[in-house]
Amino acid sequence: AQTVTQSQPEMSVQEAETVTLSCTYDTSESDYYLFWYKQPPSRQMILVIRQEAYKQQNATENRFSVNFQKAAKSFSLKISDSQLGDAAMYFCAYRTLNEKLTFGTGTRLTIIP
Amino acid sequence: EAEVAQSPRYKITEKSQAVAFWCDPISGHATLYWYRQILGQGPELLVQFQDESVVDDSQLPKDRFSAERLKGVDSTLKIQPAELGDSAMYLCASSLFSSYNSPLHFGNGTRLTVT
Repeated sequence: AQTVTQSQPEMSVQEAETVTLSCTYDTSESDYYLFWYKQPPSRQMILVIRQEAYKQQNATENRFSVNFQKAAKSFSLKISDSQLGDAAMYFCAYRTLNEKLTFGTGTRLTIIP
Repeated sequence: EAEVAQSPRYKITEKSQAVAFWCDPISGHATLYWYRQILGQGPELLVQFQDESVVDDSQLPKDRFSAERLKGVDSTLKIQPAELGDSAMYLCASSLFSSYNSPLHFGNGTRLTVT
């Protein structure tokens, strides 16, 4: 079975600082996609960033970037210049060719003004 | 930007009653998903549709849950009878394709409380 582990239930960061959220996963597949989703309080879940396992270059979307370590099965999310609007639950997820999208348990990120 | 519509936003029901949730995916999205998210956990897939056909309902408790997408557009998820353990957020999502690289777009969800 696919598993995704987010070992940090809660994180906090000062506004304008950088924070890194951790994620590890377990799969025997070589071809898959990894995702980070953001779920603000009482609002819909939205895709933050995604990474294809075959691409060595780490994905970047504005202030969001990932550190993808395929051999270690690690997929961390770095948020630079944190803003108040970044406060949310962050879910790591992955999906293989023949399997459903599997989510981790989430990390609650608090931004300290 | 197009969104996935869900209703109701909140639902309170008594144990043993029937409850139904509705979802309208983004226009043109062939794949529709229903997820259940228990407080403090990540979403778990209940059922996946490709057009009007169910392609994965392996985690759907079929003795009490049912889902349909009759015309391949909007969808309804029903629970009868509701149990206390069904209290959760029910999320609907859609994607343009069913492939693993096609990102999911989520609705705001329906928060169900069973008393």
